[in-house]
Amino acid sequence: AQSVAQPEDQVNVAEGNPLTVKCTYSVSGNPYLFWYVQYPNRGLQFLLKYITGDNLVKGSYGFEAEFNKSQTSFHLKKPSALVSDSALYFCAVRDGNAGNMLTFGGGTRLMVKP
Amino acid sequence: GAVVSQHPSWVICKSGTSVKIECRSLDFQATTMFWYRQFPKQSLMLMATSNEGSKATYEQGVEKDKFLINHASLTLSTLTVTSAHPEDSSFYICSARDRGFGLGKTQYFGPGTRLLVL
Repeated sequence: AQSVAQPEDQVNVAEGNPLTVKCTYSVSGNPYLFWYVQYPNRGLQFLLKYITGDNLVKGSYGFEAEFNKSQTSFHLKKPSALVSDSALYFCAVRDGNAGNMLTFGGGTRLMVKP
Repeated sequence: GAVVSQHPSWVICKSGTSVKIECRSLDFQATTMFWYRQFPKQSLMLMATSNEGSKATYEQGVEKDKFLINHASLTLSTLTVTSAHPEDSSFYICSARDRGFGLGKTQYFGPGTRLLVL
């Protein structure tokens, strides 16, 4: 079975400061990892994904994420947060060896204060 | 990135009526579409996986006679909530994945449909 954990329900950061949203995963095969962002009353927007290759993945809106196989983590990062980054962020994993199913973490609400 | 649309974005209906939600992939063909349900302040719960031209695969605990899914073409899937009740009120989100091989393909999500059953 595959699973995703986002240990923080909410992350607060001041505008201009770096931000990190944590994600750890568990799969039996190769992990395909994704980050999505959700604004109020909206669907999910794709930010970035890791399939293979470089452990540091760059995505939309200046976000990046680092795949760490030994720690089974895929933390989302941004060097300088904007107030407009405030939203709900979801990490997701798919087992690269089997199945269609994308499993989501519980979500982390990011609050960026001016 | 690829665009997925949903219609309607909002629907309010009386208890006992049926509601149809459409999900379209606008600029790509999707052999597989997914339907999710999201409760307030919670993550997405996969309801079913829909493959074009075949029957949908429902997750455990999801009533297939209650939530009818049709994936009639490579760009359209529909979810019909039959005989809706207040407990069916929720935010329904569809997702589509581009055709082709590789589980690394990205799933793109629609904007969601908020259903309120009175």
